[in-house]
Amino acid sequence: EAQVVESGGNLVKPGGSLRLSCVASGFTFTNAWMSWVRQVPGKGLEWVGRIKSNPDGGTRDYAAPVRGRFAISRDDSKNTLYLQMNSLKMGDTAVYHCTRVFGYGDYGDAFDIWGQGTVVTVSS
Amino acid sequence: DIQMTQSPSSLSASVGDRVTITCRASQNIKTYLNWYQLKPGKAPNLLIYAASSLQSGVPSRFSGSGSGTDFTLTITSLQPEDSATYYCQQSYSTPLFTFGPGTTVRIK
Repeated sequence: EAQVVESGGNLVKPGGSLRLSCVASGFTFTNAWMSWVRQVPGKGLEWVGRIKSNPDGGTRDYAAPVRGRFAISRDDSKNTLYLQMNSLKMGDTAVYHCTRVFGYGDYGDAFDIWGQGTVVTVSS
Repeated sequence: DIQMTQSPSSLSASVGDRVTITCRASQNIKTYLNWYQLKPGKAPNLLIYAASSLQSGVPSRFSGSGSGTDFTLTITSLQPEDSATYYCQQSYSTPLFTFGPGTTVRIK
């Protein structure tokens, strides 16, 4: 069964840093494009960023609210995706989900495998 | 940025009812529209991709339609386990994906 499991969420002060991890199993992680999506309390889902597979160039893209503060990386030898979060703000408080990107058509993308998420709380 | 809206924001229906949720995009997104189901404490679930394609393993009572700016998700015979929040998501402006605000479905 294909699945992803996130970890690393915690309570952190504004301005602090945190690194989330996501371990994948049941599919070929090396060829997978992956994303982070967060669920903000009372505000729904927000895409955070995406990383292509290394065979496809490993390009990273980020949503405007996190660009320059967050960084996505991957270790294909460990089937693990990371999200390094720096300069955290209270607005970053959310459940962070790791997802696999499923491509369709010319450039359609959906998120077909999700983890339950890990909770990040930014508060003083 | 492409903005997504959904209506209604919440609804209450009985088991066996037909339920329709609407999603509207701020510009033409062709059929680059996906639907997800979220339940508290569980991993979100992809229901529909490309506006009308049913994801593998999803019950056939779920269906999607639409193109351009207007889309619908229909549950033909509501079941107790369908109590959840449903989100649409556009991928026309990939990778700058955006989600709708969600529609909460409750069982009467």
